[in-house]
Amino acid sequence: GQQVMQIPQYQHVQEGEDFTTYCNSSTTLSNIQWYKQRPGGHPVFLIQLVKSGEVKKQKRLTFQFGEAKKNSSLHITATQTTDVGTYFCAGSDTGRRALTFGSGTRLQVQP
Amino acid sequence: EAQVTQNPRYLITVTGKKLTVTCSQNMNHEYMSWYRQDPGLGLRQIYYSMNVEVTDKGDVPEGYKVSRKEKRNFPLILESPSPNQTSLYFCASSLSGSYGYTFGSGTRLTVV
Repeated sequence: GQQVMQIPQYQHVQEGEDFTTYCNSSTTLSNIQWYKQRPGGHPVFLIQLVKSGEVKKQKRLTFQFGEAKKNSSLHITATQTTDVGTYFCAGSDTGRRALTFGSGTRLQVQP
Repeated sequence: EAQVTQNPRYLITVTGKKLTVTCSQNMNHEYMSWYRQDPGLGLRQIYYSMNVEVTDKGDVPEGYKVSRKEKRNFPLILESPSPNQTSLYFCASSLSGSYGYTFGSGTRLTVV
């Protein structure tokens, strides 16, 4: 079945440093979504990418979708303590309706 | 306020005692889904529904049942809970499969 892998599992950074998490799928995706889950909270939808090679920005967050639509990345510039949480990617196979989540990257930001 | 409401938030039960976790959304969303979250395993899909009376298995459906008799409700049923179903459960809904999901606040279930 479809597998979505995410690395790293955990990253600890100093406030102001950059952060990147990577997502790789075993199959071609029709779209990729990114979510953030604060400690003790529920996942919150951040963004969806659909087109091959697509790049989208939300303030300090930059999201990319690979040319082959099998990988994606989330980059945070100049992290802040409010960025703490676990970031998940989630994708759907072309033709499959279910959304498969990666295992997430937990980000800790040291003030 | 647009939201997905799950109940209960916390539940401790004994092995074999049937239970239902309710999920309701007020956004007229077509898609609804149940996930379980376990440390190191991320979110794994249990069941999803594309519309009323249309449901399909996710990646870990064993031991669970669902129904979608009304568009707004998507209850998760554990007919005979076992300790390996101890987990954090999330219900989520989406306008369609091509939009992001709105998650409920979660139900922490412990089966002893």
